[in-house]
Amino acid sequence: DGGITQSPKYLFRKEGQNVTLSCEQNLNHDAMYWYRQDPGQGLRLIYYSQIVNDFQKGDIAEGYSVSREKKESFPLTVTSAQKNPTAFYLCASSIGRGGGTTQPQHFGDGTRLSIL
Amino acid sequence: QKEVEQNSGPLSVPEGAIASLNCTYSDRGSQSFFWYRQYSGKSPELIMSIYSNGDKEDGRFTAQLNKASQYVSLLIRDSQPSDSATYLCAAPGAGNNRKLIWGLGTSLAVNP
Repeated sequence: DGGITQSPKYLFRKEGQNVTLSCEQNLNHDAMYWYRQDPGQGLRLIYYSQIVNDFQKGDIAEGYSVSREKKESFPLTVTSAQKNPTAFYLCASSIGRGGGTTQPQHFGDGTRLSIL
Repeated sequence: QKEVEQNSGPLSVPEGAIASLNCTYSDRGSQSFFWYRQYSGKSPELIMSIYSNGDKEDGRFTAQLNKASQYVSLLIRDSQPSDSATYLCAAPGAGNNRKLIWGLGTSLAVNP
C-alpha cells in the first residue's frame, strides 16, 4: 500500500541533544512538507521541498534543519537551538500542482516529541 | 498575507442532524480547497477536495464553494458520534510553491 511513514511514533529529547525524525513516502510525490502542531493549535509549516536537493524555509524554521537527498525521504532534525521542541510533528506529501491546480497534501501518522 | 478563517467552535449537533462547517478565505485567485478531518491525537485526513463553484457530494459529505463570496462550507448529513473531530479547511498559498494555508479548525461534537 502506498503511504507516508513517520518514525518513531514517540521520541524524547534531552537538553542539548539533536534528534532526527524520519519521513518516507512511496507515493512518488514530488513535494514534501514538515509541520508542527501544538495542543489546540493549527498547523505551522517548518520546511518544505518541491524537488530533490531543494527545500525552503516555512514559517517557523529556526532551530530545525532538513535534507532531501532522495525523492522518497525528507528527514527533519530538531536541533538544540529549538528551545521549545515539545509538539506533534507531521510530515506530508503532495504531487504538487496537477493540471496547474494545487493538489491536496497527504499526511503520515506523526511523531510526538517531548523533552526529558 | 493570505488567510483562511474558520469558527473555532465547538459546534455541537445531535446525532442524525446536519452539521454545517464554514470557511472563508482572502485570496480571490484560489482555485482549490480542501477539507480535512483530524481526530484527537491523530493526523489530518483528507475528506473532500473542491475546485469549482457549486456543490460536490461524497457520501454523507457535501462541500460547497462560492468564489464570489469567498467561502467554502462542508455539510455532514446524518451526523454520527464518529464524526466528532476537528475539521480543517485549507487553500493554496501564494505563487507556484505548492504550499497550503490552513485554518485553525472547527471542533465538532455529535451527541448521541
